Amino acid sequence: AQTVTQSQPEMSVQEAETVTLSCTYDTSENNYYLFWYKQPPSRQMILVIRQEAYKQQNATENRFSVNFQKAAKSFSLKISDSQLGDTAMYFCAFGAYSGGGADGLTFGKGTHLIIQP
Amino acid sequence: DAGVTQSPTHLIKTRGQHVTLRCSPISGHKSVSWYQQVLGQGPQFIFQYYEKEERGRGNFPDRFSARQFPNYSSELNVNALLLGDSALYLCASSLVFQGADTQYFGPGTRLTVL
Repeated sequence: AQTVTQSQPEMSVQEAETVTLSCTYDTSENNYYLFWYKQPPSRQMILVIRQEAYKQQNATENRFSVNFQKAAKSFSLKISDSQLGDTAMYFCAFGAYSGGGADGLTFGKGTHLIIQP
Repeated sequence: DAGVTQSPTHLIKTRGQHVTLRCSPISGHKSVSWYQQVLGQGPQFIFQYYEKEERGRGNFPDRFSARQFPNYSSELNVNALLLGDSALYLCASSLVFQGADTQYFGPGTRLTVL
């Protein structure tokens, strides 16, 4: 079984600052994917970014980038030039690439990010 | 294209009752997953269905069941409701059933059990 740990329950930064959200995971799988999802107060979960474990290059999506350290089982999210609309719960999630049954995604408990004007 | 849709948006039930939640996936997606999100926690995996077959099940009691229809829509059923079943129930769709496949979430159904 996989576990995902997000050690920062809440973070607050000023608009335009850069912020990094932490995530660590534990797994015995070799092939897997990692995701960051955003859940704004309206509650719909939105995919922010995904990372394939077999790729050494860190994924980037506009202002969002990850620092994937496979050996350390660490997967942090960096948000540059933060905007008020980035205020949300951020969930780190793990998905195993399995040829058999599906275990779904394993989520962390989330980090509540508040962007202050 | 429409995203994942869920109905109803909110639901209030009393202990011991039965509830059915519904989900329509993104057009072209053949897999639907269900998650339970208790307030203040991350979502927990309940079921995944692909091509009308159950492909994965999380650690939930037999009171929880689901099915997928030929049009790939799905419903989640919960029998003998308990207070602890109060949560946001999220449906997610994906192209296939692999856990690594990107899942796209619906807005959820807020279930309150009194």
